[in-house]
Amino acid sequence: DAGVIQSPRHEVTEMGQEVTLRCKPISGHNSLFWYRQTMMRGLELLIYFNNNVPIDDSGMPEDRFSAKMPNASFSTLKIQPSEPRDSAVYFCASSFGTGPGNTIYFGEGSWLTVV
Amino acid sequence: QQQVKQSPQSLIVQKGGISIINCAYENTAFDYFPWYQQFPGKGPALLIAIRPDVSEKKEGRFTISFNKSAKQFSLHIMDSQPGDSATYFCAASNNNDMRFGAGTRLTVKP
Repeated sequence: DAGVIQSPRHEVTEMGQEVTLRCKPISGHNSLFWYRQTMMRGLELLIYFNNNVPIDDSGMPEDRFSAKMPNASFSTLKIQPSEPRDSAVYFCASSFGTGPGNTIYFGEGSWLTVV
Repeated sequence: QQQVKQSPQSLIVQKGGISIINCAYENTAFDYFPWYQQFPGKGPALLIAIRPDVSEKKEGRFTISFNKSAKQFSLHIMDSQPGDSATYFCAASNNNDMRFGAGTRLTVKP
């Protein structure tokens, strides 16, 4: 089974540029999550979708961040304009169902560096 | 705000020793408490999990102890091995809202 697939794996961009991170969840999973990981703040939930609908975006740091899930097999996280403090590893994750005990499966992350 | 507090930040253990990582949570609505293991360059992966209706769960060398009244839970790694060297995250969730601790970087010395 293919796991959660993220692209790009690594991105270096200049401040002010638009960054788009992509995610393909595990087939059949109906919940999708975007997390950000930094040394200072650990793993932070940015947003999660259930059945392609955003449920909780309270973790999105500011209006420069946006996420979409146009269908069950694809999601994007966009940062526009990017800033050096956005440098982090961004993880996409997916799970099946809701309720307690649903395992969240993570992708391998997109390593973003904004210079 | 940090809903799950994890300690220590880093831990060094000799091979064969016991590694203990502690977590505490605030939200009593949390009803599922997993531990994730992350190796460098990889995403976190589920290691072991517990629900609040039991006080302990053991899988091989890994044990979760859960204290509902104190809102605390811990991971014990028995007979720690160099291959266990990784970052460990505790988490707590209510439905799909999963919150992670800050992580513990475990190093097991041979």
